[in-house]
Amino acid sequence: DTAVSQTPKYLVTQMGNDKSIKCEQNLGHDTMYWYKQDSKKFLKIMFSYNNKELIINETVPNRFSPKSPDKAHLNLHINSLELGDSAVYFCASSQDYGTSGKLFFGSGTQLSVL
Amino acid sequence: AQSVTQPDIHITVSEGASLELRCNYSYGATPYLFWYVQSPGQGLQLLLKYFSGDTLVQGIKGFEAEFKRSQSSFNLRKPSVHWSDAAEYFCAVGAGTSYDKVIFGPGTSLSVIP
Repeated sequence: DTAVSQTPKYLVTQMGNDKSIKCEQNLGHDTMYWYKQDSKKFLKIMFSYNNKELIINETVPNRFSPKSPDKAHLNLHINSLELGDSAVYFCASSQDYGTSGKLFFGSGTQLSVL
Repeated sequence: AQSVTQPDIHITVSEGASLELRCNYSYGATPYLFWYVQSPGQGLQLLLKYFSGDTLVQGIKGFEAEFKRSQSSFNLRKPSVHWSDAAEYFCAVGAGTSYDKVIFGPGTSLSVIP
């Protein structure tokens, strides 16, 4: 079983649409994250949740809204998609917030906004 | 603010040759340092990490890294590269009040010539 799984793997959509990316981890970790990787491979943290509580919220447009229904799931909803949102979005999890720094990553969702 | 630089955007080595990937960080306190590897189309995988103690750390897949506080560096090495090592390598530093806020460098792309 995949430890951190994201769906969909590819997402192609038009500008202005609303889309969601789902993430699930079966590792029993307390903390989950969303990272964005741009076309130059630069990886930047967007959000982190610890036990369903928002911990890190970087300077991300409020069109991006994470939702954590339970500590095994962290979904990312994006409203009014823009061309600049095209990127690969990675979900990740870690075992103990603030202690390990070891992140387990999903395989990514490649979002293309046309 | 914390930051990580990787001076080499792209490196090409022959299979069997030795490898060193450079990483420099900026952080006011004792850093938590990591190297991650990203194979094409995949998420990132932790190679090794430094928290404290011995400044030479061993990781998976035959990699090692050396923390040099005086140079603010954490270079990754491998004595003999295999073709399967071709990937993107990211150096990262644990930042903020929690070390689970991990800041990534821009990455170094490694190509291996058979």
